[in-house]
Amino acid sequence: QSVLTQPPSASGTPGQRVTISCSGSSSNIASNTVNWYQQLPGTAPKLLIYSNNQRPSGVPDRFSGSKSGTSASLAISGLQSEDEVHYYCATWDDSLNGWVFGGGTKLTVL
Amino acid sequence: QVQLVQSGAEVKKPGASVKVSCKASGYTFTNYGINWVRQAPGQGLEWMGWISAYNGNTNYAQKVQGRVTMTTETSTSTAYMELRSLRSDDTAVYYCARGYSSSTRADYWGQGTLVTVSS
Repeated sequence: QSVLTQPPSASGTPGQRVTISCSGSSSNIASNTVNWYQQLPGTAPKLLIYSNNQRPSGVPDRFSGSKSGTSASLAISGLQSEDEVHYYCATWDDSLNGWVFGGGTKLTVL
Repeated sequence: QVQLVQSGAEVKKPGASVKVSCKASGYTFTNYGINWVRQAPGQGLEWMGWISAYNGNTNYAQKVQGRVTMTTETSTSTAYMELRSLRSDDTAVYYCARGYSSSTRADYWGQGTLVTVSS
């Protein structure tokens, strides 16, 4: 059971905007910044969003992040077929003194 | 460019130990730390701990505390993760990932090392 809660799946059609939620608590999301990772099958996770809403160099501006209270969201606009992969949220947990992840969301482009 | 290259796949018997290496390049090794994260087959990501490449300070996850040792070798810019008393549920892909400090983001990741624990 993951400390952060994500929906196991999400879907959208090409060109559409989809959001993926990540729910936590006062000891993690509420008091620390959230990162999002994208993982293609058989490869290592790739940092997609850091510090709630910052994009590393090279990440398209179709990807955006936000945080409010004990929840965070990843939004993907202009959905493309190559976006059909897994997404994970992550943040520091002050009680556990370590990183915690969401269980991951598999995005399907219909 | 920043690269983290990990050692190859391992097959171990229950009760044995495994040591995975992670060789860094493209940045000043001692300016950052290394996180270790694992992913069981078909499952999510699990943080195992972090080690400072500057002074060797470590922060281990409670779940593996007592069974894991993380070390670094600055002369070769290599980090190591040793896990002892292996069990079947330790079967996973193990990733190293660069992190400035224990609580800052893991930005660059290694390619992963599959460790299979089976009798």
